[in-house]
Amino acid sequence: QKEVEQDPGPLSVPEGAIVSLNCTYSNSAFQYFMWYRQYSRKGPELLMYTYSSGNKEDGRFTAQVDKSSKYISLFIRDSQPSDSATYLCAMRAMGSSNTGKLIFGQGTTLQVKP
Amino acid sequence: DAGVTQSPTHLIKTRGQQVTLRCSPKSGHDTVSWYQQALGQGPQFIFQYYEEEERQRGNFPDRFSGHQFPNYSSELNVNALLLGDSALYLCASSLGLAGETDTQYFGPGTRLTVL
Repeated sequence: QKEVEQDPGPLSVPEGAIVSLNCTYSNSAFQYFMWYRQYSRKGPELLMYTYSSGNKEDGRFTAQVDKSSKYISLFIRDSQPSDSATYLCAMRAMGSSNTGKLIFGQGTTLQVKP
Repeated sequence: DAGVTQSPTHLIKTRGQQVTLRCSPKSGHDTVSWYQQALGQGPQFIFQYYEEEERQRGNFPDRFSGHQFPNYSSELNVNALLLGDSALYLCASSLGLAGETDTQYFGPGTRLTVL
């Protein structure tokens, strides 16, 4: 079993829809949670960074972390065709021995149709 | 403000050969991490360099080695290439090891094809 599970999709939605992307994980030591966006043949771009449980909002993006369920989500409101990309969740545990060692999900491919 | 840069963009090698990939971190960053991303998969952590030393290592064989220079740039070397080494190799930079907010910024990657 992988440490981080993410449905690869693809997920196709009409422009303006609310998108929900999710990851589950098995390692209870994970404390830092990130969402990256990756366009085709490009490097991942950091979208959201959350520590421990709770919600964080940035413009059209909201990240949620539920540590009790080992479940994280990214919501995209008013989705745009330019949001079409692969979305990767990433996480890591606390402590200097885990610094830098991000564990990624497989990525979910999102297509927003005009 | 220059972001993370990597070279070359693409590379084609044959089995058994050796390859060197290069990375320059984002301005002000001193820590470099390397990841391997196979097609359709998420990136996998290879190792991290700080103060010219390997600080963390993922589950990769010794054929994968690296180096960090005094100017914080880094190289990834892969020896005895296998077909399975074909992937996008990503470099990420961050600031320091002591902080808990070591946000990593990724470069565009080097696409390696092994024939």
